[in-house]
Amino acid sequence: GAGVSQSPSNKVTEKGKDVELRCDPISGHTALYWYRQSLGQGLEFLIYFQGNSAPDKSGLPSDRFSAERTGGSVSTLTIQRTQQEDSAVYLCASSLDRAYNEQFFGPGTRLTVL
Amino acid sequence: DQQVKQNSPSLSVQEGRISILNCDYTNSMFDYFLWYKKYPAEGPTFLISISSIKDKNEDGRFTVFLNKSAKHLSLHIVPSQPGDSAVYFCAASDYNNDMRFGAGTRLTVKP
Repeated sequence: GAGVSQSPSNKVTEKGKDVELRCDPISGHTALYWYRQSLGQGLEFLIYFQGNSAPDKSGLPSDRFSAERTGGSVSTLTIQRTQQEDSAVYLCASSLDRAYNEQFFGPGTRLTVL
Repeated sequence: DQQVKQNSPSLSVQEGRISILNCDYTNSMFDYFLWYKKYPAEGPTFLISISSIKDKNEDGRFTVFLNKSAKHLSLHIVPSQPGDSAVYFCAASDYNNDMRFGAGTRLTVKP
């Protein structure tokens, strides 16, 4: 009966390094979302996966950001050549599908870029 | 482009009183609205939602009111309890199911 899990919970990295953040959605949920929350800001949409459809990447802030979802389940968000402004909490959520179903969020990964 | 705005970053109320959290939106295409609650070090959890065909939805101590003409919604918590202390996010989605979140309001309920 696990909810959405994310790893690591905290990540500290140096500017210029690449990082990978992992999300395990709730089993059976076809929709998976990545958001980030910077200090004092709302939840900023990054990318969305629905089943086998092409992902909606419209929220990715730059080409340094990419995400994959393997086998319709686990997702990895990759940030290349990290910058200090990438520091934020990265949240993953899943839902049964996109049509108005509430999203279930993971605990987030707090990324700090020094 | 802040399509969903929560103008009060924080709110403090006494236990037993009413908490009113406000949210304004700019996109008239939004037709489904949700409130999420977030405790420290946890992800947001769904609290209550409302469709644009309604102007009120109630669930226990939580009631959401929607004023479409004013593009405004509010969450009422009555009576407020210390365990309600959290950050509350307002969210809105449109027919494309693109969801936008506000910046959140930190509610503190004092015993």
